[in-house]
Amino acid sequence: EIVMTQSPATLSVSPGERATLSCRASQSVNSNLAWYQQKPGQAPRLLIYGASTRATGIPARFSGSASGTEFTLTISSLQSEDFAVYYCQQYNNWPLTFGGGTKVEIK
Amino acid sequence: EVQLLESGGGLVQPGGSLRLSCAASGFTFTRYAVGWVRQAPGKGLEWVSAIRGSGSNTYYADSVKGRFTISKDDSKNMMYLEMNNLRAEDTAVYYCAKRRYEAAGDFDFWGQGTLVTVSS
Repeated sequence: EIVMTQSPATLSVSPGERATLSCRASQSVNSNLAWYQQKPGQAPRLLIYGASTRATGIPARFSGSASGTEFTLTISSLQSEDFAVYYCQQYNNWPLTFGGGTKVEIK
Repeated sequence: EVQLLESGGGLVQPGGSLRLSCAASGFTFTRYAVGWVRQAPGKGLEWVSAIRGSGSNTYYADSVKGRFTISKDDSKNMMYLEMNNLRAEDTAVYYCAKRRYEAAGDFDFWGQGTLVTVSS
C-alpha cells in the first residue's frame, strides 16, 4: 500500500498570505495525484488532478506541482473561503489512498 | 450537470447489514468508474470500494474485503454498496464519487454523503 504523508497537520495563515501544503508518497505514483478541499459538513471538492491540472472552476490562485514523490499545493493569496481541510490522494495503485489532511486555519 | 445522491444510511447493530444506494445523473453511467469513500467522525478520508464503468471489475479496501459488495444497475443509473457483518469501526459518512475515466482517475464529482452508525 502506498502511504501518503501530508505536512503540516495544521497551517495557520493570515488572509492574503501564501500557503504551501506538502504531500509525500511512499513510492512513485507518477503524476496520478489529486488534491481535494473539504469544508465542515460538506463533501470533498476536487481542486487539482494529474498533480498540476486545475479542475473545472477552480481559481488560478490554486496550483499544484511535483518533484519525484513530493507534491505541493500552493494557494497564492488566501481568501476567507479557502480556510478548510486539504487532502491529497494517489490513484496510481490499488488500494487508492489519501493523506491524513492539512487543516488551513486563520492566523 | 453531474449529480450523485446517496441514500440508505442509518443506525445498525454490530453484525448487522445495510445497503447504500447512489443515484447518478448528468453523465453516461457506463463510461465512468464510480466508487465509495468514507469518513469516520472527525477523521480523514478512506477509500472503500470502486467499480469500473463497464462493471467488469470491482475493487475493495482490505478493511472491507469479504464483508462489502459493490454493484451497479446501468438501466437505473444506480450504484450500490451491500455492507454485511458491520463493525463499530465502519461508522462513517459514506460518499459516492465518480472517477474521471472508465477504469481509473481521480474522483471529480462527489455526492453529499450518507451517515452509517454501527452501535448497539
